[in-house]
Amino acid sequence: QVQLVQSGAEVMKPGASVKVSCKSSGYTFTGNYMHWVRQAPGQGLEWMGRIHPDSGTTNYAQNFQGRITMTRDTSISTAYMELSRLRSDDTAVYYCARIGSGWAFDYWGQGTLVTVSS
Amino acid sequence: QTVVTQEPSFSVSPGGTVTLTCGLSSGSVSTSFYPSWYQQTPGQAPRTLMYSTNARSSGVPDRFSGSILGNKAALTITGAQADDESDYYCVLYVGSGNWVFGGGTKLTVL
Repeated sequence: QVQLVQSGAEVMKPGASVKVSCKSSGYTFTGNYMHWVRQAPGQGLEWMGRIHPDSGTTNYAQNFQGRITMTRDTSISTAYMELSRLRSDDTAVYYCARIGSGWAFDYWGQGTLVTVSS
Repeated sequence: QTVVTQEPSFSVSPGGTVTLTCGLSSGSVSTSFYPSWYQQTPGQAPRTLMYSTNARSSGVPDRFSGSILGNKAALTITGAQADDESDYYCVLYVGSGNWVFGGGTKLTVL
């Protein structure tokens, strides 16, 4: 069965960078785009960007341009999302989500809480 | 910048029918935006309900349905149950590899 397992919670200082991982299993990792979505406390979902694991092609939401980098390691079926110059309003749960054949996010990771605090 | 609109909150009686909508701040939603819908309860990852406008995700009861109503995508729940009380999000593909989520609708069943 398809599983996306994310790395554990992080506490970061303002101005630092965080890198969250998402390990895939149960399907061909290079066959589906992987997206990243975040949710600040008490707020809605926010699309951050996507990466195609085969080509490494990325698209980033305008709000994160210049601060976000998505990468992948196909040898271990893992996608990564790195966010730099962290601010307190980057405190959120970060999810990876696979796009399925119906152009929907069909499988989600369990989420990674990133807390930015001095 | 594209803004996707949803009702902030909605209330429905048990057994009743409710339609949540997903629109654009400018323009109309069509099937070309591949609207999809997600249900989320506190502390949980979102659950996929509908995709490509009106296709039901595996395991989703048929009292959930999707459509285009006028210039918006819509999620209709027929025969609402207590455990439908959740937050509901739509997301649209807006082109050039970009997706945008709506702000979400908090559904109360009472």
